[in-house]
Amino acid sequence: QKEVEQNSGPLSVPEGAIASLNCTYSDRGSQSFFWYRQYSGKSPELIMSIYSNGDKEDGRFTAQLNKASQYVSLLIRDSQPSDSATYLCAVMDSGGSNYKLTFGKGTLLTVNP
Amino acid sequence: NAGVMQNPRHLVRRRGQEARLRCSPMKGHSHVYWYRQLPEEGLKFMVYLQKENIIDESGMPKERFSAEFPKEGPSILRIQQVVRGDSAAYFCASLSDYNSPLHFGNGTRLTVT
Repeated sequence: QKEVEQNSGPLSVPEGAIASLNCTYSDRGSQSFFWYRQYSGKSPELIMSIYSNGDKEDGRFTAQLNKASQYVSLLIRDSQPSDSATYLCAVMDSGGSNYKLTFGKGTLLTVNP
Repeated sequence: NAGVMQNPRHLVRRRGQEARLRCSPMKGHSHVYWYRQLPEEGLKFMVYLQKENIIDESGMPKERFSAEFPKEGPSILRIQQVVRGDSAAYFCASLSDYNSPLHFGNGTRLTVT
């Protein structure tokens, strides 16, 4: 059973701080990694995708991937109250033509004004 | 380019009735996924389909649940003889190819009374 683990949270940060969200995965062959944001009662929306080791930046968001450690993280700089949501880490299976995406349980982030 | 379309948005069924949930993927997407989300829980993979084929149904309950993605028309998730424990949000997502992110529909909220 391929697993994706996220720090359980909830995570609370003050407005303007950096929020750090972490994720580990069990499938060593995985090549594609995604972060989704989900507001309460809404569907998940894609924030970042990352495929290579290192950092990938998009505005206030930075995704970091370390395949050797089977670890992926998301940093949110200058956190805003509107960033308050559940953040889901997702990992694509590496098995053949089975493009299955496994999600972690999510970390609830609260940004306090 | 329309996104992933799910209907109905809300569905109320009495115990023992059948629920049929529909999903039309994004244009050009041939991979369809169904996920279930219970209140305050993460996304649980149910089934992954391509046109006319079930690729991975490892997350589907063995009884009462079935899914199809016919050559023409939307993907259907069918739940027979619903029970209260089936009450959840059911999300459909679609994918164009490997290394692409999943795009989610708005979900169907099923309530079993």
